[in-house]
Amino acid sequence: KAGVTQTPRYLIKTRGQQVTLSCSPISGHRSVSWYQQTPGQGLQFLFEYFSETQRNKGNFPGRFSGRQFSNSRSEMNVSTLELGDSALYLCASSLEDGSPLHFGNGTRLTVT
Amino acid sequence: QKEVEQNSGPLSVPEGAIASLNCTYSDRGSQSFFWYRQYSGKSPELIMFIYSNGDKEDGRFTAQLNKASQYVSLLIRDSQPSDSATYLCAVKSGGYNKLIFGAGTRLAVHP
Repeated sequence: KAGVTQTPRYLIKTRGQQVTLSCSPISGHRSVSWYQQTPGQGLQFLFEYFSETQRNKGNFPGRFSGRQFSNSRSEMNVSTLELGDSALYLCASSLEDGSPLHFGNGTRLTVT
Repeated sequence: QKEVEQNSGPLSVPEGAIASLNCTYSDRGSQSFFWYRQYSGKSPELIMFIYSNGDKEDGRFTAQLNKASQYVSLLIRDSQPSDSATYLCAVKSGGYNKLIFGAGTRLAVHP
C-alpha cells in the first residue's frame, strides 16, 4: 500500500507570495493532519480534516488555511509568506480517531 | 497549554546496550501515546504506540506507560548505530487526531 505522498518536496518562495502544498493520504484513510516543523519550535499542529471538514485547528494565524477533497486528498495554503514560515511541512493520515498517524516525506519550504 | 516533555539529549549509548528514552505529559485525560523516530532530514516514522498501562513489546522496542505518573518511555534493546536518530514522543490531545509532540531526544549509538 502506498504511503502518504506530499508534493512538492522542496519550494523556494519570496516574502509576500503565497504557496499551496498537496497531500495524498494512505488509501482508505479519511483523516489528514498538517504539522509544521522548525528547529526552534519542533513539530506543531496546524489543522486536521476528516471527510472534508476541519475538525481541529492549531494556534497559527489565518494566513494558514487548508481544505480536503472528497477523495481525502488535502491541500494547505499559506498566504503573504513571511521569513518565519520557512519550515518542513508534514502531512499525516490516520485510519480512524486515535489510531497512529503516518507521515509523508514533507515539503521543505524556504522563504527568502 | 498541554505539554509533552523530553530530555533533548544527546543520549549516548554503546552498541549492544539498552537505550532508555523518557517522556512526561501534562494532560491527565490523554489516552493514546506514540513514539516516532526521525532521522536527520527525514520525516517522522512510527515506532510504537501504546494505549494501556504497562509494557508493550515489538522486537527490540518496548514502550512503557504509567498513566498515574503521566510517564511514557521507550526502551531499545541491543542498540545499533542505525538507531541513532531523534525520538519523538507524541500524545493525543483532546478529540480527534491532534497530537502534541515533545521536542525529541537525540540518541547516538556508538560502535
